Amino acid sequence: DGGITQSPKYLFRKEGQNVTLSCEQNLNHDAMYWYRQDPGQGLRLIYYSQIVNDFQKGDIAEGYSVSREKKESFPLTVTSAQKNPTAFYLCASSMVRREQFFGPGTRLTVL
Amino acid sequence: GQQLNQSPQSMFIQEGEDVSMNCTSSSIFNTWLWYKQDPGEGPVLLIALYKAGELTSNGRLTAQFGITRKDSFLNISASIPSDVGIYFCAGHGGAGNNRKLIWGLGTSLAVNP
Repeated sequence: DGGITQSPKYLFRKEGQNVTLSCEQNLNHDAMYWYRQDPGQGLRLIYYSQIVNDFQKGDIAEGYSVSREKKESFPLTVTSAQKNPTAFYLCASSMVRREQFFGPGTRLTVL
Repeated sequence: GQQLNQSPQSMFIQEGEDVSMNCTSSSIFNTWLWYKQDPGEGPVLLIALYKAGELTSNGRLTAQFGITRKDSFLNISASIPSDVGIYFCAGHGGAGNNRKLIWGLGTSLAVNP
């Protein structure tokens, strides 16, 4: 089946540890995105990538890092520099300038 | 970052009622998208609009791309309990950062059976 997968669904980490969230798509989409969603809030863009080996900061990139070594993969690392990392993280993909399709999300809790 | 003005913020209706929500922007948009998000899940695309004045239906859902290109609305007819969730609008602007979607803050819909 074509789609976007994110793993794991739930993730717990101790404060001060880096953690990497996985996002894979088999839709052959060129662009991929990472969003953060806090309770009762909308979606805020962290990073996006339009082609392999290239990515741009979104509105809240501080404390996060990404890589785009393969077209189908766009992992997000939440670093210890992120002051409030507990949130719901959503990955999306699209053809350029077309509608975005989302994965099921990863809920990260930092203890 | 820029946000869309989405209203109402929340709605509580009786099953069978019709629902209407809208989004407005201070700038011209080339694309309007409507998503629904269930708790703990990713948003699911409901309707995509690409042309000013366009009116598109998806089952009981109808959305329109405003003629001014600065607004869009979503209507749900004859609501049912599974319509419960948060509805988001999103859009692409003009030149510049047109690969970034601009998002509304969502309309939370509750349906009383």
